[in-house]
Order: sequence, then C-alpha cells, then structure tokens
Amino acid sequence: EDQVTQSPEALRLQEGESSSLNCSYTVSGLRGLFWYRQDPGKGPEFLFTLYSAGEEKEKERLKATLTKKESFLHITAPKPEDSATYLCAVQGTGAGSYQLTFGKGTKLSVIP
Amino acid sequence: DTAVSQTPKYLVTQMGNDKSIKCEQNLGHDTMYWYKQDSKKFLKIMFSYNNKELIINETVPNRFSPKSPDKAHLNLHINSLELGDSAVYFCASSQGNNYGYTFGSGTRLTVV
Repeated sequence: EDQVTQSPEALRLQEGESSSLNCSYTVSGLRGLFWYRQDPGKGPEFLFTLYSAGEEKEKERLKATLTKKESFLHITAPKPEDSATYLCAVQGTGAGSYQLTFGKGTKLSVIP
Repeated sequence: DTAVSQTPKYLVTQMGNDKSIKCEQNLGHDTMYWYKQDSKKFLKIMFSYNNKELIINETVPNRFSPKSPDKAHLNLHINSLELGDSAVYFCASSQGNNYGYTFGSGTRLTVV
C-alpha cells in the first residue's frame, strides 16, 4: 500500500524566512509525485509533478525536489500570500494506479 | 469558466436521507474522481471513472454510488446518510493517469 508522510504538520514563518517542507513516501514503483496547494474552503490546486529522482521544478518562490524516498518543497523568501496547506501525493504503478495517495499536508502560515 | 464544478457547495441533511452531488468538467479530460476529505483534512480516494467505466473502488460503503452519464459528468449518490458521512467531498479530473488532477471547489456535507 502506498504511503505518504508529510512534516511538519504546521509551520509558521516570518515573511522572508526561507524553509522547506518534507514529504516521505513508500510506493511500489513511482509513476509521479505531486505537490498541491489548498486554501481554506477551496479544492487543491496543482503545483508540480516530479517523475524521477534528481528532478527539480520551480514556480515563483517554490522549488520542488525529488529523491528515491522523499521530496522537498523549498519556499524562498515567502510572502503572506503563500500561507496555505501544501499537500504531497504519489501515484504508483501498482494496482489502482489511477489514484493519488495523499499525505495529511503541512499548514504554512507566513507572518508579515 | 470553471474547469471542474460541483453542486451544491453546502449540503445539510438529516440521517437516513438520500442525497446527490453533481460534478461536471469542461476540460475534455478522460478520467474523473471523487475524493473525501475528513475533519483532519485527509484526502482519500473514493471512486474514479475512465471512459464511463469504474476503474477503482476503494473500501467505500455501497450506500455510495457514482454515476457517469457521459465523460464530462460524474455524480455521487449517497443513500441512507449517516453522521460519519459528514465531510468535504471533492470531484477531480485528469487526462490519462500520470498528470496532475484538477479539483473542484468541494461540497461540504453535514449530516445531522
């Protein structure tokens, strides 16, 4: 069974204080690792897909990296509008390969 | 235009009632999903449909039944609602099985 563990559960940062969120996973063959952002009362919004170890993707202040066991979402000089819950999900190549298995998320608060 | 739309956004109903949640996507995607997000914000797959065929069905009570009249719609019917069914239900769609999902904004179901 695919599993995803995210840490920390919650993170408070001062505006401009860079940090990283962690996503550890176990999967029977990785088809893709996904990062989403979820704002209160809204559906998850797609950020990145990573397919193989060593891959990196960037979008504005966010950079996602992938190893064989974990992924990091680096946030550089965050702003208050980056406050949200960040979700990590994996898609395996085994049975039920259409589904994404999500972690419980990291709630990020950026204080002005 | 909203890419994945769900109705209603809020649904309050009594135990034992039967209710439906509708979902429509205008992205031309070939796969649609229903996810349940519980009070701890944990997203879990319920169903997915690809080309009008159910391709995965997790351990969901048979009181829940997905119905897809066409590729752009995946409705969720729930019979004999129970208190534990209270959650936020998200519809999502994707093209193929290794691309990011597009989520709807969710339906908050409260069973009293």
